[in-house]
Amino acid sequence: AQKITQTQPGMFVQEKEAVTLDCTYDTSDPSYGLFWYKQPSSGEMIFLIYQGSYDQQNATEGRYSLNFQKARKSANLVISASQLGDSAMYFCAMREGRGTGRRALTFGSGTRLQVQP
Amino acid sequence: GAVVSQHPSRVICKSGTSVKIECRSLDFQATTMFWYRQFPKKSLMLMATSNEGSKATYEQGVEKDKFLINHASLTLSTLTVTSAHPEDSSFYICSARDDRGWAEAFFGQGTRLTVV
Repeated sequence: AQKITQTQPGMFVQEKEAVTLDCTYDTSDPSYGLFWYKQPSSGEMIFLIYQGSYDQQNATEGRYSLNFQKARKSANLVISASQLGDSAMYFCAMREGRGTGRRALTFGSGTRLQVQP
Repeated sequence: GAVVSQHPSRVICKSGTSVKIECRSLDFQATTMFWYRQFPKKSLMLMATSNEGSKATYEQGVEKDKFLINHASLTLSTLTVTSAHPEDSSFYICSARDDRGWAEAFFGQGTRLTVV
């Protein structure tokens, strides 16, 4: 079974508008972390935001916020006021287990976001 | 934030030769680093977990004799693609996490390997 599911292969958004990228996850571990990364065409993986399974509040980082719905096992990324530079591939990822973080991330298939002027 | 440096960013090599890729954590210690492979327009797939001072742990289907991993210090892991073939052409990217923290995993810039 897929641990991380991103159902939107591609998304379009108008500049200055908000966009939501979907992510659902599957785990039986009560302790886990959810991540979003941006990958521009250069290939680098840029960390955007993190949500821990025990965090009570949704994570926010500037224009990025994570809509964490634990019961639904979803961790959608919301980008507000889209900019042309936001055009990239976006990956949702999960790390299971508490502790020293010696476990790797499991990635979803990604969503390609294109911001239109 | 923490910086992970990966080198080289691009490499072209001939079939049958070996290529070494370095992954360095520049301002933190990382007991564990991870190596991923990414095919065009696909997601990142974990190849192996690199552990300082011990053998790497490889994912199922990854040939340990082809993809040699050495984690000689707390700041450096290397991936050597041995006897490279065109099918080894891919984007390889490493990640490392600060031993002092839990959350973020920082990635290197990635290496685009082309075997001709």
